[in-house]
Parts: sequence; C-alpha cells; structure tokens
Amino acid sequence: SYVLTQPPSVSVAPGKTARITCGGNNIGSKSVHWYQQKPGQAPVLVIYYDSDRPSGIPERFSGSNSGNTATLTISRVEAGDEADYYCQVWDSSSDHSVVFGGGTKLTVL
Amino acid sequence: QITLKESGPTLVKPTQTLTLTCTFSGFSLSTSGVGVGWIRQPPGKALEWLALIYWNDDKRYSPSLKSRLTITKDTSKNQVVLTMTNMDPVDTATYYCAHFQLEEVDYWGQGTLVTVSS
Repeated sequence: SYVLTQPPSVSVAPGKTARITCGGNNIGSKSVHWYQQKPGQAPVLVIYYDSDRPSGIPERFSGSNSGNTATLTISRVEAGDEADYYCQVWDSSSDHSVVFGGGTKLTVL
Repeated sequence: QITLKESGPTLVKPTQTLTLTCTFSGFSLSTSGVGVGWIRQPPGKALEWLALIYWNDDKRYSPSLKSRLTITKDTSKNQVVLTMTNMDPVDTATYYCAHFQLEEVDYWGQGTLVTVSS
C-alpha cells in the first residue's frame, strides 16, 4: 500500500516561513490534501488538490507538489498556527483507498 | 450548513462488535461525488482512515482492516453506519465521521472517543 512520510516535527519563529513536507513515491502524480488539527479539535482542511485553499483559510497557507515531495508552506507564521498537520492522498492503485501521512507537529517558537 | 455527528458506545469490551452511526445534515448522500467516511485517531497518534461510502453505494475499506469493517448508508435517514468486529484495546481511539467531496474531507464531525476495555 501507498506510504506518506512526514517529519514528526517542525519548529519556526513567529513571522517566519514554515515548510512541512510529505513524501511519497511519485506523489507528484497524485492530488495532495492538507489538514490542520489543533489539540482537542477535529481536523480542518487547509489545502486541497495540491494548492487550492478552502474559503476562510488565510492566503498565508499554500501548497505545492512535484516529484516525490509535496509541501505545505505557511508564511508569516503566527502563534495560532501551532498544530498538527496531516497530508492525505487517494491511492488509486489496487487498494483504491484514502491514505494519511503520519502527521507533523508545528511548533511556533 | 453541513454538519455530521457520531453516536455509539463509549466503552466496548474486547472481542465485541462496535457499531457507530453518523447522522448528517446539510447535504444528500444521493448527490454525485459525495461520500461519507470514517477516520479514527488513537490518543496522541495519527489519523487513520477506515472506510468510505459514496453516493452510488461504492464502498472502500482500509486494506489492513477490511476483514473487520462494514459500512452502510440509509439515504432516507441521512445516516451512515460503521461496524467493526472483534474489538481490541488497540482500537481505542476517537472515531470521526467525515464528508468527502470525491477524495478529500471538507467537513468533519466532532468525533467520539471509544474505549476498548474489559
């Protein structure tokens, strides 16, 4: 089955740019979706289809996807961005299943 | 306004079968492209997708849990039901119901914590 690999943690100072990666075999050929989850809350979709933002998500959130790595970029990081972030794809191989990455804890220093 | 809410037991014994119901509003599970799925999260751990049912009754299951899962829908009641057999303490988790727009989740339920213990 398809595997998505994320770094367990990323740290960034306020006002700087955070980049969270999601690795997978030829992930650039798939659509990647990103979720933000704050403690005690359900996840929230922040990026879909690689780089689209749902309404209500700040423009500071952006995404890209190429080759074997997809990236969620958060510009001008704020304290409120501290959360767990998960990438997700649809695996259209024989499994035809939803796959989540292991999650990345973003810490705002 | 789309909402989803999970209901079911908060405590189950090992080997028992878990039955969770997702009751939703604000959309129809007869609409093309729409699906309702289940995702769980053990305490302090990552999200894990379990199952998904689409408007056309197409059903998908996690390969690792497929033998234990069954997902069904009742469009007239706006409900989706997940059953998981042979529950084990490692299945202790918050179980989320979710609205899928084809392949991504755009709405989540609040989640329900299920503990497996004797």
